[in-house]
Amino acid sequence: GAGVSQSPSNKVTEKGKDVELRCDPISGHTALYWYRQRLGQGLEFLIYFQGNSAPDKSGLPSDRFSAERTGESVSTLTIQRTQQEDSAVYLCASSSRDRANEQFFGPGTRLTVL
Amino acid sequence: AQSVTQPDIHITVSEGASLELRCNYSYGATPYLFWYVQSPGQGLQLLLKYFSGDTLVQGIKGFEAEFKRSQSSFNLRKPSVHWSDAAEYFCAVGPGSGNTGKLIFGQGTTLQVKP
Repeated sequence: GAGVSQSPSNKVTEKGKDVELRCDPISGHTALYWYRQRLGQGLEFLIYFQGNSAPDKSGLPSDRFSAERTGESVSTLTIQRTQQEDSAVYLCASSSRDRANEQFFGPGTRLTVL
Repeated sequence: AQSVTQPDIHITVSEGASLELRCNYSYGATPYLFWYVQSPGQGLQLLLKYFSGDTLVQGIKGFEAEFKRSQSSFNLRKPSVHWSDAAEYFCAVGPGSGNTGKLIFGQGTTLQVKP
C-alpha cells in the first residue's frame, strides 16, 4: 500500500489480557517507530527500529510492553496483562533512509482496556 | 531536558480570520522541527518541516511557520482559516543532521473554526 497501515483499528480488551498490535510500514522504509497517544495528550515515544540495529526501547513504560520487527517489514507491539492506563491510541510511523527525519504515520489502533 | 511546549490547548477563530499557533522547544542540539495535523479519526499528516536555511517555511494547505532560534520558537501561521482546518495540531522536534530517532511532541492545540 501507499501508506503505513495498522491493525486492528480498534481493540477492546479486558484488564489482564494480552494484546498484539500490528504495523505495516511503507515499503522500503528502514526505520519504524511506535508512539502512544493518551486522550487529550501529545504522542509519547515507545520504541524505534532502524534496520538491523538494536532497537531503541527507551520509551517503553514497563516490561509488560515489547515489540518485534521482522527485517525491514512488519512490526508487532505486544502489551501483556493489560491495565486500564494502557488505554490509548497506538500510532506507528516509518521513515526512509534518504529522508530520515520525515516520519509518516499510520491511522493508529485505539485500545480500550475495560 | 528535551521538551516541546504548545501553550494554547484550545483556540477558536472565525472562518477567514488569521491564525497563529505557538510552539516553543528545548533541545540540546540543533533540532529539526515539524508541524503535524490530526483530524478526527485520522492519522497524523505532516504540514511542514524546518531543517535548515530560510527560517520561514511553507507547507501544505496554505500553512507556514517561522523558526526563531533566539526565542526557541516555531510558530505556525495561516492568513485565512477555512472550516476544514478544524483539527488538532502538534509541534514536534527531532534529531538534526539527517539522523533518525524519536520525535518529541507537544501536547497539541485543538483548533475550532466558527462559521
